[in-house]
Amino acid sequence: ETGVTQTPRHLVMGMTNKKSLKCEQHLGHNAMYWYKQSAKKPLELMFVYSLEERVENNSVPSRFSPECPNSSHLFLHLHTLQPEDSALYLCASSQGRGIEQFFGPGTRLTVL
Amino acid sequence: EDQVTQSPEALRLQEGESSSLNCSYTVSGLRGLFWYRQDPGKGPEFLFTLYSAGEEKEKERLKATLTKKESFLHITAPKPEDSATYLCAVREETSGSRLTFGEGTQLTVNP
Repeated sequence: ETGVTQTPRHLVMGMTNKKSLKCEQHLGHNAMYWYKQSAKKPLELMFVYSLEERVENNSVPSRFSPECPNSSHLFLHLHTLQPEDSALYLCASSQGRGIEQFFGPGTRLTVL
Repeated sequence: EDQVTQSPEALRLQEGESSSLNCSYTVSGLRGLFWYRQDPGKGPEFLFTLYSAGEEKEKERLKATLTKKESFLHITAPKPEDSATYLCAVREETSGSRLTFGEGTQLTVNP
């Protein structure tokens, strides 16, 4: 499935590093999402970007900063992360709100 | 607060042994219930969307049904390649794009 791509697939970073995750969707969708998936926990929505809304989960720490330059690209900028931020970060897209979301393969992030 | 509970947490079946996975939900106004399949190390793969009680959808060996309080994913004569984690998610009328996910059911089908 190449509809939603994410890079890098794996990332190991120290607590003082700055890195960015990239997501690109090739489906012509107009909404994009960032999710966090931790072991033994449900997927947690972090951010939504669409024509109708920009939603931020208020529980997401400011060390995560999203950027959506256009409807096909989404970035997640990371800085001064904590070990508990280690997780699988998933990008998704949809055509409009409330419609099924299609996910990328994820970036496995490890914070040392 | 929206709640989505999936059961069982894990299910082990023999090839050909049919069973069902459950997703119970508590929302004030359902605007869609979604089923996904997730293989290890991969992102969730969309399977079905159900919108109203009584609705059913099928895809190969999978059949999803919906009532006012829960959804079932029936697996008929499963094969080892059906082994995966199955995720359920709901969208509530006032939640915009936000989907609330359950923790998933890890299905293993032995040959």
